[in-house]
Amino acid sequence: NAGVTQTPKFRVLKTGQSMTLLCAQDMNHEYMYWYRQDPGMGLRLIHYSVGEGTTAKGEVPDGYNVSRLKKQNFLLGLESAAPSQTSVYFCASSWIGNEQFFGPGTRLTVL
Amino acid sequence: KQEVTQIPAALSVPEGENLVLNCSFTDSAIYNLQWFRQDPGKGLTSLLLIQSSQREQTSGRLNASLDKSSGRSTLYIAASQPGDSATYLCAVGTDSWGKLQFGAGTQVVVTP
Repeated sequence: NAGVTQTPKFRVLKTGQSMTLLCAQDMNHEYMYWYRQDPGMGLRLIHYSVGEGTTAKGEVPDGYNVSRLKKQNFLLGLESAAPSQTSVYFCASSWIGNEQFFGPGTRLTVL
Repeated sequence: KQEVTQIPAALSVPEGENLVLNCSFTDSAIYNLQWFRQDPGKGLTSLLLIQSSQREQTSGRLNASLDKSSGRSTLYIAASQPGDSATYLCAVGTDSWGKLQFGAGTQVVVTP
């Protein structure tokens, strides 16, 4: 079992560029989450999904979009990257809202 | 809005001492509480999950308690080792959808 995997591990973007972060889990979990981690701010929830085809906004959703076309995958998109989106992005999954398991993270820098 | 606080922000102890990490939250209506460990540049590793109906949870050298009425959880790590050096994060589950509100973490250094 690979658990939760994230692609890519690192990325540098220029302001205005777009990109998609991919999260995959092989635990057959229903729920999936995207967080961002910034120094001194802790982790904050961006978007989440409680099943295939569903998505919902978290605490800091502005500037991001998500899709959950397959149960095992959860995609996070940045349509027009801004320097304020420089952060470490973590994906997590859980079985019906219980213990969450996290991926290794994607370090994104927006210049 | 639920606020989660972890004090102190950093802690240094000699090897063998017991570690006591604190987490406080402002709204006692929680769904569950989870403790994580994060090593530098890595993801989060789940340590313990306490459901709102439970008072404590144990795994090996780790014990976590939960007192909803006072808005507190404590993580105890017995007989600390240098390998326990990491940042420990507390996260409060706010609803059945699993949304977590995180504290900023306590950075722990265990010196040999």
